[in-house]
Amino acid sequence: DQQVKQNSPSLSVQEGRISILNCDYTNSMFDYFLWYKKYPAEGPTFLISISSIKDKNEDGRFTVFLNKSAKHLSLHIVPSQPGDSAVYFCAASHGSSNTGKLIFGQGTTLQVKP
Amino acid sequence: DVKVTQSSRYLVKRTGEKVFLECVQDMDHENMFWYRQDPGLGLRLIYFSYDVKMKEKGDIPEGYSVSREKKERFSLILESASTNQTSMYLCASIPHLGSSYEQYFGPGTRLTVT
Repeated sequence: DQQVKQNSPSLSVQEGRISILNCDYTNSMFDYFLWYKKYPAEGPTFLISISSIKDKNEDGRFTVFLNKSAKHLSLHIVPSQPGDSAVYFCAASHGSSNTGKLIFGQGTTLQVKP
Repeated sequence: DVKVTQSSRYLVKRTGEKVFLECVQDMDHENMFWYRQDPGLGLRLIYFSYDVKMKEKGDIPEGYSVSREKKERFSLILESASTNQTSMYLCASIPHLGSSYEQYFGPGTRLTVT
């Protein structure tokens, strides 16, 4: 049972344009969401997060939007750069679990073309 | 900077061998995690530990065990390696619950079982 889903395995965009990566979840108990970026042969690195009490969080070129009613979040990258080419994972957690466990989606491979 | 290191970047083992993967973090983190990453499946939690000698099963613990004798070190053990355990193995840690859900990852170990 995949509680966090990234339904697009890959995305290709032109440099300078917007990249939008999507993520859906099923568990309404999730209250914290994160995006990680992963280059080949490296571990994932934290990118941006959002608490369920917010609907938007911004950090430079990266913005995460949360739609709780739709159980959907998205990551916007504007403008996209070739160095953004990587696999992006969304992850979710709920405070009541008391373990710090994260549930990850399957990942979306982003390719930004020069 | 938090540093999470893993003992090997690449490992090739034979079916039936006992395999040890080691993870060390240098920031006195309490919680440590072992994941495997497979294409199309994202990161799946194998085991985690919230204190020395304490461990809990994740989503896919079958065929694995773990050991945490010291706070900074968390080992993943494949008791009898099988070909379906060929994967990328990632270790992560967080300081303690309530501080942040952001997990810090090591670079990963690419394990091939032949």
